[in-house]
Amino acid sequence: DGGITQSPKYLFRKEGQNVTLSCEQNLNHDAMYWYRQDPGQGLRLIYYSQIVNDFQKGDIAEGYSVSREKKESFPLTVTSAQKNPTAFYLCASSISQGSPQPQHFGDGTRLSIL
Amino acid sequence: KNEVEQSPQNLTAQEGEFITINCSYSVGISALHWLQQHPGGGIVSLFMLSSGKKKHGRLIATINIQEKHSSLHITASHPRDSAVYICAVKETSYDKVIFGPGTSLSVIP
Repeated sequence: DGGITQSPKYLFRKEGQNVTLSCEQNLNHDAMYWYRQDPGQGLRLIYYSQIVNDFQKGDIAEGYSVSREKKESFPLTVTSAQKNPTAFYLCASSISQGSPQPQHFGDGTRLSIL
Repeated sequence: KNEVEQSPQNLTAQEGEFITINCSYSVGISALHWLQQHPGGGIVSLFMLSSGKKKHGRLIATINIQEKHSSLHITASHPRDSAVYICAVKETSYDKVIFGPGTSLSVIP
């Protein structure tokens, strides 16, 4: 079955540590996205990528970095510069960002600070 | 004021009740999505609307473009419908998706 796989499901970060969240899709989608979800708030876009080797900052990119070396993979690194990283992170994909296609989502990664 | 608002924020219903969740938005849109987030966190797309009404099983979604309002109805609600329902709009000016804060639904047997 096609879908999006995020790992790990739970992740803990120590102070000053960078951590990387994995997102893999086998839907052959061009566009991939990372969102952050905080209680009582709508999902907020961190980064998105419309094509391999290209990505754009979203609304809350500070303290995060991404890469898109393969179409299937869009890992997110939460750097030590992100002072409030505790949140639920969702990866999504769509056929193309330019068209209003429904987005497919992963099951999320919950990041907490030790 | 948030660009996408939902009401109610929380909703508890008895099994079998008819449920309505509302979404209002203040921007121009090309499409509106209704999403369901399960207790474990995964999100599933329920509907994408640009006009009128869509039905899938016990779920019905309507949109009124002039009034900038959409509703999600659940008929004959069941405990397995318990989830967070999220409204998201595809905004035309900046070609981005804006998510509402979600409505948490709990259906009691």
